[in-house]
Amino acid sequence: GQQVMQIPQYQHVQEGEDFTTYCNSSTTLSNIQWYKQRPGGHPVFLIQLVKSGEVKKQKRLTFQFGEAKKNSSLHITATQTTDVGTYFCAEGGSEKLVFGKGTKLTVNP
Amino acid sequence: KAGVTQTPRYLIKTRGQQVTLSCSPISGHRSVSWYQQTPGQGLQFLFEYFSETQRNKGNFPGRFSGRQFSNSRSEMNVSTLELGDSALYLCASSSAPPLTEAFFGQGTRLTVV
Repeated sequence: GQQVMQIPQYQHVQEGEDFTTYCNSSTTLSNIQWYKQRPGGHPVFLIQLVKSGEVKKQKRLTFQFGEAKKNSSLHITATQTTDVGTYFCAEGGSEKLVFGKGTKLTVNP
Repeated sequence: KAGVTQTPRYLIKTRGQQVTLSCSPISGHRSVSWYQQTPGQGLQFLFEYFSETQRNKGNFPGRFSGRQFSNSRSEMNVSTLELGDSALYLCASSSAPPLTEAFFGQGTRLTVV
């Protein structure tokens, strides 16, 4: 079945450092969505990428969709303690989301 | 507008029992999907309903079932509970396919003892 691989599983950074999480698929993705789940919370939608090579920015967050639509990345510049949580990528279909395992980010103040 | 509401927030059940979880989607949203979240398996799709019809089902045993009512509210049922069913069950609603953005509820934390 569909699989979206996400790395790394964990990432610990010092506040102010950058952070990147990657998603990969062996098949072409129709789109990629990113969600953030704070500790004890629920996934919250961040963004959707649809086009090959698409790049979108939200303040310190930069999202990229690969040219072949088989990979995606989320990059956070100058992390803050408010960035802690687990970041998930997911392929969105017409009826379901297929999630990666997520990258858990911890930030040392 | 109100978000996705799941009840109850927490449940403790004994092996062999059954449980029913409820989800009220965002007003106007007709698609409701359910996910199981565990530390080992992550977020896994259970099933999706749209206009009272189950359109897709994940790879879970028949003990897991669901339904959707005419007001789009949804319930999921797990019968003959096993210890491995302990998880956070998340409901998500969206306005219409294709799935451009899913709004998740706070989830129901089910513990099976």
